Amino acid sequence: AQSVTQLDSQVPVFEEAPVELRCNYSSSVSVYLFWYVQYPNQGLQLLLKYLSGSTLVKGINGFEAEFNKSQTSFHLRKPSVHISDTAEYFCAVSGRSSASKIIFGSGTRLSIRP
Amino acid sequence: DTAVSQTPKYLVTQMGNDKSIKCEQNLGHDTMYWYKQDSKKFLKIMFSYNNKELIINETVPNRFSPKSPDKAHLNLHINSLELGDSAVYFCASSQGTAHTQETQYFGPGTRLLVL
Repeated sequence: AQSVTQLDSQVPVFEEAPVELRCNYSSSVSVYLFWYVQYPNQGLQLLLKYLSGSTLVKGINGFEAEFNKSQTSFHLRKPSVHISDTAEYFCAVSGRSSASKIIFGSGTRLSIRP
Repeated sequence: DTAVSQTPKYLVTQMGNDKSIKCEQNLGHDTMYWYKQDSKKFLKIMFSYNNKELIINETVPNRFSPKSPDKAHLNLHINSLELGDSAVYFCASSQGTAHTQETQYFGPGTRLLVL
């Protein structure tokens, strides 16, 4: 079974500052990793995902994440945030077998201050 | 031209009532899901269907019954509603049968409040 931990429930950041949202996972098998974003009163949408290959994954809206197998982490980063990035961010993990299901973290609320 | 749509958006009802939430996707996807998001934003999968066949059935009360009349629709019926059922329910869909790696596309959610 897999689990995922998002260490920060809230991250306040000033506009145009860099941000890192932390995500650690636990699994005894190889995994797929995802970051989803949820804007207020909306459904989730995919930012990026790691399936295989390069450990640095680039996503939409200038976000990127790095898969670190030794540290079992998949932290999300953006070099300069905008007010429009204010949202809830969810890290998710899934095993690679067809019997696996996706497990979401508890979310990190990113609030941008002008 | 909404990709994944849900109706209703808001649902306020009394304890003990029976209600349904409908979901439709026009993406041609094979797999559909129901998720429950509680007041702390914790998101948990409830059910998953692939081509109208149930493939994930999490430990949810049997008061919750999903129905998939065709692969574009996945409805959720809830009997004897309880206070603890208050949450936001999201429908999602993904392409193909390898659902573990596929991107999921979420609907806007149905906010259920049980009084």
